[in-house]
Amino acid sequence: QSALTQPASVSGSPGQSITISCTGTSSDVGSYNLVSWYQQHPGKAPKLMIYEVSKRPSGVSNRCSGSKSGNTASLTISGLQAEDEADYYCCSYAGTSTYVVFGGGTKLTVL
Amino acid sequence: QVQLQESGPGLVKPSETLSLTCTVSGGSISSYYWSWIRQPPGKGLEWIGYIYFSGSTNYNPSLKSRVTISVDTSKNQFSLKLSSVTAADTAVYYCARDGWATLGAHAFDVWGQGTMVTVSS
Repeated sequence: QSALTQPASVSGSPGQSITISCTGTSSDVGSYNLVSWYQQHPGKAPKLMIYEVSKRPSGVSNRCSGSKSGNTASLTISGLQAEDEADYYCCSYAGTSTYVVFGGGTKLTVL
Repeated sequence: QVQLQESGPGLVKPSETLSLTCTVSGGSISSYYWSWIRQPPGKGLEWIGYIYFSGSTNYNPSLKSRVTISVDTSKNQFSLKLSSVTAADTAVYYCARDGWATLGAHAFDVWGQGTMVTVSS
């Protein structure tokens, strides 16, 4: 059982927007603005999409955005494209001892 | 740009020690935290532990008794040893960089391609 809770799957049609939630606790998501999101295509390594809740690394599409409220973080992808179909994982810093915890992952299907 | 490459045996026998090395190219191992992360087939990601370039370490409490991570700055490499392995340790093992020094936040900004390790007799 993962420390952070994500929906197992979400889906959307091309051009639509989807949001993936990531629920933690007051010891991780709720305590730090250090939530990151990763995209993973089959057989590939994860790729950093969002860090520090809402910041995008250079080269990541501005169709991706992140937010946080309380113990829940969210990833929104707008203008869905076929290439967005992948697994998405959230991750939160959880202090010096635990360091980081991951969500169980969400499979995004573009219909 | 910085690239990471994992290397090591793809098959380990139960009760033995899994050993992997990550080679950092295109940049220095200095000033960063370096982690090992694994992913069992069809499952999610699990952080195993990190090492700072200076040698300080931190391990996942659930694996702490079996994990050792070391660094060789002269070779720009860091390594993972996981002892007393069982079938539950079968996974793709990734090495990754914590981008704290460049992003100002704990996030894994560079990943190796991953290496599959199977525990079986």
